Amino acid sequence: DAGVIQSPRHEVTEMGQEVTLRCKPISGHNSLFWYRQTMMRGLELLIYFNNNVPIDDSGMPEDRFSAKMPNASFSTLKIQPSEPRDSAVYFCASSSKGFRTGSSYNSPLHFGNGTRLTVT
Amino acid sequence: SQQGEEDPQALSIQEGENATMNCSYKTSINNLQWYRQNSGRGLVHLILIRSNEREKHSGRLRVTLDTSKKSSSLLITASRAADTASYFCATDVGPISNFGNEKLTFGTGTRLTIIP
Repeated sequence: DAGVIQSPRHEVTEMGQEVTLRCKPISGHNSLFWYRQTMMRGLELLIYFNNNVPIDDSGMPEDRFSAKMPNASFSTLKIQPSEPRDSAVYFCASSSKGFRTGSSYNSPLHFGNGTRLTVT
Repeated sequence: SQQGEEDPQALSIQEGENATMNCSYKTSINNLQWYRQNSGRGLVHLILIRSNEREKHSGRLRVTLDTSKKSSSLLITASRAADTASYFCATDVGPISNFGNEKLTFGTGTRLTIIP
């Protein structure tokens, strides 16, 4: 199991440029999540997919952000145009569909090592 | 504001001592999870406790949950230098549906430093 794979690990770009972050979830997982982590705001859920379908994108900060999941093994998060305030570490996580036991589902998230984005 | 807030924000202890971190949350939950994050890495799941459970153990970890107080604690016994990391609680408050893990909301984290 290779885990969740994100690329690139680091991205430095100039304001106004398009940025594309990539994620390969764990094979067999059917839920995928994009999070953003900053010192000021902590970990924020941006969007999540289930079976390649976006379920909730209410955390996406602006129309400049978009995410796609064309198949079960690949997702992208795009920022166009990028701004300095987008600088953060972006994490992708995946999980398998939880099974219902009692009152809740048991499906821990598996995180990638993140992409550190710096927009100058 | 954060659904989950950890306390303390930072904790330094000597190797071998026990470390206790607390998490408070605001709304009813389906389950609560604890994660560890080493510097420059992604989060790693440690343990999950369901809303109808009060205590759970995993190796040197012990988690308690008090739904009446909306709080949880993570105890690491016999700490080691390798336990140095940030620890986050995460709450699952989404509606029960077919989608499994929904809206997992993370707290602000406790930075734990183990002094050799």
